[in-house]
This record gives sequence, C-alpha cells and structure tokens, in this order.
Amino acid sequence: GAVVSQHPSWVICKSGTSVKIECRSLDFQATTMFWYRQFPKQSLMLMATSNEGSKATYEQGVEKDKFLINHASLTLSTLTVTSAHPEDSSFYICSARDSGGGRTDTQYFGPGTRLTVL
Amino acid sequence: KQEVTQIPAALSVPEGENLVLNCSFTDSAIYNLQWFRQDPGKGLTSLLLIQSSQREQTSGRLNASLDKSSGRSTLYIAASQPGDSATYLCAVGGSNYKLTFGKGTLLTVNP
Repeated sequence: GAVVSQHPSWVICKSGTSVKIECRSLDFQATTMFWYRQFPKQSLMLMATSNEGSKATYEQGVEKDKFLINHASLTLSTLTVTSAHPEDSSFYICSARDSGGGRTDTQYFGPGTRLTVL
Repeated sequence: KQEVTQIPAALSVPEGENLVLNCSFTDSAIYNLQWFRQDPGKGLTSLLLIQSSQREQTSGRLNASLDKSSGRSTLYIAASQPGDSATYLCAVGGSNYKLTFGKGTLLTVNP
C-alpha cells in the first residue's frame, strides 16, 4: 500500500530557532500534499495545501511567513517552522494524495512529527 | 464553514460488544466522508471511504453508513476486540480534496 513518511518523528528545539519537517510519498507521486496540526485532545486542523511546483495555499489564520512550505518534487514537501515559540509546540501531520492512481480521493497520512519548543 | 461533530467523545465497552460511533456535519455539500483510526502519538490509518453518492462501505468487522441529506454518518464495529482501542476520527471531504475533521471518539475495549 501507499506509504508516507515524515522526518523527524520528534524534535525539541529552543525558542527562536527554525525547524524543518519533511514529508515524503515513498511509492507514489503526489502533486498535492496537506499539512495539519493537532493539539492534545483536539482534531486535526488543516494548515495549508502544498502544490508541487507552485506556492502553497494557506488556511485562514495560518501565517505563511512563519510556516514555510516547499513542494520541490512529486514526492517531497517540507514544512519549516520559523522562529519557533512554545505555542508552536504541537503534533504536525502531513498527507499526500496519489495523483496517479484511480482512487484519487484517498489521502495517505504520515506518522506525524511531535514538535516541542522550549 | 463545515463543522464536524463526533459523539460520544469517549466510549468504554467490554470485549465482544457491538458498538456505534456517530459523526455529524453541518454542510451536506460534501465529496466524501472518511473514517480514520489514530493510535496514541501516531498518524492516521484510513478505515473506510464513502463517496457522496454511496450509502455505506464495509471492511471486515467495520461498516460505515452515510446519510448526506441529514448530515450524518455512523461507524459500526462488530464484535469489538481490545486491539480496536484507539481514537476514531471522522473527516468530511470538500472541494480541493480538503478534509475537515471531528475531534474523535476515544474507544476503549476492555478484555
């Protein structure tokens, strides 16, 4: 089955630093990937849609200059949290839509990245 | 704006029991509805995907129904097992493949 990986699985950083999270589709091509954030006991909230070869589309209330998204290839999207603050601590999950398969509605989710900002 | 509500927020049942998880959504103009499973600290596993034109989907002991006009979906789990313990998330698919999630139902199946 389709697999999506995320790296790192967890990261601890100091306030003010930047952190990059990678999302890869391992056995399929994904022209569209999605980035979600999940706070404890809350639902996943869509942050942005990552489009290969073009700018990401951000949801209302998400700062595009703080959460930089780059979709450089058909199998890789990165999310960079710039100047991280403790309130950015969360579980970040990506998903990828298989752009080549028949089940185009299916999104495959990565295992998530736990970010803790001290 | 689409809103997804899941009831109950938590459920504890003895092993072997059949159970139903509920999901409701405010905007019936959906493309599909998905049920996911999330284990603690982990990502999501897709369980069932129902297209807007479908009424139900089945996979093993799982059966999901969709009533788009009333904005409701149910996930039926038959003969529950301790390994079914997890958080179950309902997500509604809208335009541009965006998903709106509910907060989930935390299921505990006791041996």
